[in-house]
Amino acid sequence: GAVVSQHPSRVICKSGTSVKIECRSLDFQATTMFWYRQFPKKSLMLMATSNEGSKATYEQGVEKDKFLINHASLTLSTLTVTSAHPEDSSFYICSAKGGQGSYNSPLHFGNGTRLTVT
Amino acid sequence: SQKIEQNSEALNIQEGKTATLTCNYTNYSPAYLQWYRQDPGRGPVFLLLIRENEKEKRKERLKVTFDTTLKQSLFHITASQPADSATYLCALALTGANNLFFGTGTRLTVIP
Repeated sequence: GAVVSQHPSRVICKSGTSVKIECRSLDFQATTMFWYRQFPKKSLMLMATSNEGSKATYEQGVEKDKFLINHASLTLSTLTVTSAHPEDSSFYICSAKGGQGSYNSPLHFGNGTRLTVT
Repeated sequence: SQKIEQNSEALNIQEGKTATLTCNYTNYSPAYLQWYRQDPGRGPVFLLLIRENEKEKRKERLKVTFDTTLKQSLFHITASQPADSATYLCALALTGANNLFFGTGTRLTVIP
């Protein structure tokens, strides 16, 4: 149980284009989803927290107009990297907590999306 | 400033030995601590959770300790196997907070 599916797993795009990454909870309802970015040999960096039906909360230093997050349903959150540039190339990972999950519930992660901007 | 440090970036051990990974934190008062495993190109997978009032937790070959005085957690894998090779991440959570704060991870390699 508690499977999170993230798509696509890899994407290559040209500079200036936008890329959408989907994160779905397959067998549970995710009231809260988190989007992380991970650089090689670095920790997971939280970008934003999204709650179903409300605006995402972005971490300091993360441009909300650059990284658009939509959590329109209890099973789907999307991250759109707008006007991508090479410095946006990274590994993006989503995670989710179940509806009954309390603050100490473990996170269920997707398998990540490797974004390369050329 | 707040920090979460995992003892070494990489750790190599011989198959069958016990691997011990360390997670030290400063300027946090975590309510609980979690350990995750991450394989290359994949998302982390939850392994164990330990609360601030617990000293030790076990799950099969895994054991976690939590010392809030030392501000340290130790993660042990006994009878290690090559399949245990992965990056292991510790993560802290504060009371009532929804998100976790992750360490940089330790890449464990178990040599046959």
